[in-house]
Amino acid sequence: EAGVAQSPRYKIIEKRQSVAFWCNPISGHATLYWYQQILGQGPKLLIQFQNNGVVDDSQLPKDRFSAERLKGVDSTLKIQPAKLEDSAVYLCASSFRSTNEKLFFGSGTQLSVL
Amino acid sequence: RKEVEQDPGPFNVPEGATVAFNCTYSNSASQSFFWYRQDCRKEPKLLMSVYSSGNEDGRFTAQLNRASQYISLLIRDSKLSDSATYLCVVKGTGGFKTIFGAGTRLFVKA
Repeated sequence: EAGVAQSPRYKIIEKRQSVAFWCNPISGHATLYWYQQILGQGPKLLIQFQNNGVVDDSQLPKDRFSAERLKGVDSTLKIQPAKLEDSAVYLCASSFRSTNEKLFFGSGTQLSVL
Repeated sequence: RKEVEQDPGPFNVPEGATVAFNCTYSNSASQSFFWYRQDCRKEPKLLMSVYSSGNEDGRFTAQLNRASQYISLLIRDSKLSDSATYLCVVKGTGGFKTIFGAGTRLFVKA
């Protein structure tokens, strides 16, 4: 079974630039999550999709972050403009359903904002 | 108070030792509890779910105490390969988001 695919694996940008991350969840998984993990901290949920609808985006900095999941399959997360504090690993995860289900994570995108 | 708090660690233990981690959560309506393991520079992976009756998987035992709002993870006969960060995860129903603790680092030395 193919896992959660993410790209790119690494990204280095300067502050105020834009960046986009892509995620393709496990086939058949209805729920998709984007997490931000800053070094030394646990993953923080940015946004959760159920199919192509947003379930939770309460911690998404909407002035600069946006995400979409067109057609309820793959998803993109965008940051525009980036700030130094956005340096982190961005993890995409998926689960078959949203409740009591284990999360399968992708390898993540390590973002460095200079 | 953080929604999910863990022992900060790091825990440095010799091979064969028994080590226990605790995690407290603030939302009494939380429904599901998990322990994830994260190796250095890798993604988190599910270690085990935590059930009200407690559950065991080989050398790993997880306990839930709803009254005191904490969960625990016990690792017996530690192996070098157990060295990792252990993340406590709490999840609610009805749209409650999945919340990760900051993690506890474990180092098992020969």
